[in-house]
Amino acid sequence: EVQLVESGGVVLQPGESLRLSCAASGFAFDENTMHWVRQAPGKGLEWVSYIDRNGVTEYADSVKGRFTISRDNSKNSLYLQMNSLIIGDTALYYCAKDSDWTLDYWGQGTLVTVSS
Amino acid sequence: QAVLTQPSSLSASPGASASLTCTLRSGINVGSYRIYWYQQKPGSPPQYLLRYKSDSDKQQGSGVPSRFSGSKDASANAGILLISGLQSEDEADYYCMIWHSNAVVFGGGTKLTVL
Repeated sequence: EVQLVESGGVVLQPGESLRLSCAASGFAFDENTMHWVRQAPGKGLEWVSYIDRNGVTEYADSVKGRFTISRDNSKNSLYLQMNSLIIGDTALYYCAKDSDWTLDYWGQGTLVTVSS
Repeated sequence: QAVLTQPSSLSASPGASASLTCTLRSGINVGSYRIYWYQQKPGSPPQYLLRYKSDSDKQQGSGVPSRFSGSKDASANAGILLISGLQSEDEADYYCMIWHSNAVVFGGGTKLTVL
């Protein structure tokens, strides 16, 4: 059974940094592209970033230069380093598994709140 | 103009069919894209329903009932999620998605009310 468990969400102030983690199990983690997708309270889904099996990364314009996605295949873990946080980064952050360009499994999410 | 546009809400009766549209921005040809559909219920993560590019390139998500199906309206440059035999449990938010310029793009979502 595929499981994705996000952690690391907290309440922070603007300008601070945070690293989110996603622990994966039930599939060959090192063979899959992985994504971060966020959802602001009461709003729609916004794609954040992906990292493929070779470490190639892409980012949404809204986070480019501030966020860094990474993975540790030895730990079956995905990470999102978030720097220079702004109030607009407040959201539930999901990690999602990619299979054949399809985000087919999602975690339950971890909540990041940026507030002054 | 957003890449993907969805109506914000739609209402339909139990047992009826609902057609949810996802319109691609002018200049982005729906024929070239796989359209992905997700269902999200309150307090839960999105669930993958299906993807549709053509009748020969489509996929149903694991465990997703066949009353959920995808299609396209080329004249409207739109992807369509058709839900037949609506049930109360289908009440949810529905999001379309495409891959565009090496990035994932979501539509704004449609809130489907079954009443």
